[in-house]
Amino acid sequence: QLQLQESGPGLVKPSETLPLTCTVSGGSISSSYYYWAWIRQPPGKGLEWIGSIYYGGNTYYNPSLRSRVTISVDTSRNQFSLKLNSVTAAETAIYYCARHTLSKVAPDYFDFWGQGTLVTVSS
Amino acid sequence: QSALTQPASVSGSPGQSITISCTGTSSDVGGYNYVSWYQQHPGKAPKLMIYDVSNRPSGVSNRFSGSKSGNTASLTISGLQDEDEAAYYCSSHTSSSTLVVFGGGTKLTVL
Repeated sequence: QLQLQESGPGLVKPSETLPLTCTVSGGSISSSYYYWAWIRQPPGKGLEWIGSIYYGGNTYYNPSLRSRVTISVDTSRNQFSLKLNSVTAAETAIYYCARHTLSKVAPDYFDFWGQGTLVTVSS
Repeated sequence: QSALTQPASVSGSPGQSITISCTGTSSDVGGYNYVSWYQQHPGKAPKLMIYDVSNRPSGVSNRFSGSKSGNTASLTISGLQDEDEAAYYCSSHTSSSTLVVFGGGTKLTVL
C-alpha cells in the first residue's frame, strides 16, 4: 500500500523559508501516471493546493504562491520537497503531501495523502 | 473565498439521504468531468471518495455517489450512518492558471 510521510520543522519564523519533505513508500515516485502534490489547510479552514511536480521535474504551481514556492523531486530517495519563502503567520497550517493522479488533460485527483504536518509560523 | 461554492453545513438522520452541492463555472466544474470529492474527519487527512464526477475508488462504500449538471456537481450519501459525519470538500480541474480549485467545505452532521 502506498504511503506518504511529511517531515520538517514544526516552527518557522516569519519572513523565513518553510522547508518540508515528503517520503513515498510502497511505490515508485518515478511513475508516468502521477504527479506529486503539496496541499495546505489553515486550522479550522479549507484546503488550498500549493503545487505539483512530475518525476521528470515538470511543475505546476498555484499562481497566488508561485513567486515564493519551489517544489523539487529526488527520485533516488523517492522523495519530493517543498520550499516556501518569506512566510507569514497567516501561513500557519497543516501541510499535506499527496499523490496527484493524471487524467488525459492534466493532474486530476488526489488519491493518497500523507497524515499532514502542522507548521506554525511564529517568532 | 473559495473558487467552488459549497453549503457550509448539511444534516440528516441515520438512514436518510443527503446531497451536497458544489457550484463552479464553465471553466472548471462545467467544462471538465474532473470533479472529485474528499471526506475529512477531525484531525485526519482528507480521503478520496469520488473522482471524475461519479467514480468510486476501491473500498469506498456504494452509499456514496456523484453527479454533475451544468456548472454544479453533487455528492449524495444514502443510508446515512454516524461514521459519515465529517467535512466534505469538492475539487475540480480548471482551465485557469490555478489548475486545481477546491470548494470551501461542507460540514455534515448526522442527527
